[in-house]
Amino acid sequence: DGGITQSPKYLFRKEGQNVTLSCEQNLNHDAMYWYRQDPGQGLRLIYYSQIVNDFQKGDIAEGYSVSREKKESFPLTVTSAQKNPTAFYLCASTLGAGGNTIYFGEGSWLTVV
Amino acid sequence: GESVGLHLPTLSVQEGDNSIINCAYSNSASDYFIWYKQESGKGPQFIIDIRSNMDKRQGQRVTVLLNKTVKHLSLQIAATQPGDSAVYFCAETYTNAGKSTFGDGTTLTVKP
Repeated sequence: DGGITQSPKYLFRKEGQNVTLSCEQNLNHDAMYWYRQDPGQGLRLIYYSQIVNDFQKGDIAEGYSVSREKKESFPLTVTSAQKNPTAFYLCASTLGAGGNTIYFGEGSWLTVV
Repeated sequence: GESVGLHLPTLSVQEGDNSIINCAYSNSASDYFIWYKQESGKGPQFIIDIRSNMDKRQGQRVTVLLNKTVKHLSLQIAATQPGDSAVYFCAETYTNAGKSTFGDGTTLTVKP
């Protein structure tokens, strides 16, 4: 079945460590997105990519990095510079750059220990 | 700046009643609107969408209404069921926007 796969579902990070969240889609979508969601809050855009080898900062990009080497993959690295990384992270994709339905993965929980 | 907001953060209804969730948007250029349902610990799921050339669109037990004059969007759920309990988000975007803007969400609780 087509969809977006995020892994791992749960991840624990020690302070000072970088961690990478995986996002893979087999929908042949051009655009991919990373959102952060804190408990009881809405979605905040971290980074997005409309085509391979190109990406743009969202509203809260500080402390995060991404790459888009393949159309189907858009990994997110949470760096040690992100001081409050504990959150629910959602990856999403759309067929085009705008005016299309966004499809979401099931999310990854990141906790700092 | 662009923003999409919801009028009420929580809504509690009795099972079998109809639910109405509201959303305001500020970007008059937006031409595509989507409602999502998010259950606890899961990713948002598409419910229904509407383009700006329409005022109303119906799905199975759900209806979305768009009032472009006042930049208002609503989601109506008929005969609300316990399984409808979730957080509901509206999102707005426009062609070639590159990204969508999401509201904060309304938590719907259905009482048996």
